[in-house]
Amino acid sequence: NAGVTQTPKFQVLKTGQSMTLQCAQDMNHNSMYWYRQDPGMGLRLIYYSASEGTTDKGEVPNGYNVSRLNKREFSLRLESAAPSQTSVYFCASSDGRGETEAFFGQGTRLTVV
Amino acid sequence: QKEVEQNSGPLSVPEGAIASLNCTYSDRGSQSFFWYRQYSGKSPELIMFIYSNGDKEDGRFTAQLNKASQYVSLLIRDSQPSDSATYLCAVANQAGTALIFGKGTTLSVSS
Repeated sequence: NAGVTQTPKFQVLKTGQSMTLQCAQDMNHNSMYWYRQDPGMGLRLIYYSASEGTTDKGEVPNGYNVSRLNKREFSLRLESAAPSQTSVYFCASSDGRGETEAFFGQGTRLTVV
Repeated sequence: QKEVEQNSGPLSVPEGAIASLNCTYSDRGSQSFFWYRQYSGKSPELIMFIYSNGDKEDGRFTAQLNKASQYVSLLIRDSQPSDSATYLCAVANQAGTALIFGKGTTLSVSS
């Protein structure tokens, strides 16, 4: 049982480059999330998708776009990477009813130079 | 902006002691509350969830919820060095569609 799978695990980008972080879950969950984690800042919600076809902004959406491709997949795109986007990114999924836990992927460590 | 607040720590306790972790939240409509543990370099993993006022016990862990005071806590009894980690408090929004996390409290248990 793979759970939540993120790719890539590590990435180095130059300022201004673009990239897409991929996330897929095999638990038939309705809700999917993208968080970033910076030292001392906890997990901050970037975007979430409560169901296939819907996306909503979280706490820190600027500089990012998302796509809920289908029920399984939720991607995060950086159109023009900036050093301030250096972070560890986590994808998560949950049943979406608010009473069940969120399961996390392994994380993507992104460095923008 | 809905907020979840935690003391960042570090909280240091000796092996065998009780560790007490606290969290406050701003959204009175929140109904679901979670405690996650995160080891350095790893993903968060769920320890406990609580929905009703009062205490919920699971092994060495007890979660306490007081909705009137907008306060959630986690007690770890008989703390072990393996409990050393960052503990994240998370609160679901009213619709139950998103989890908002606090900044986490770092716990260090010395042997």
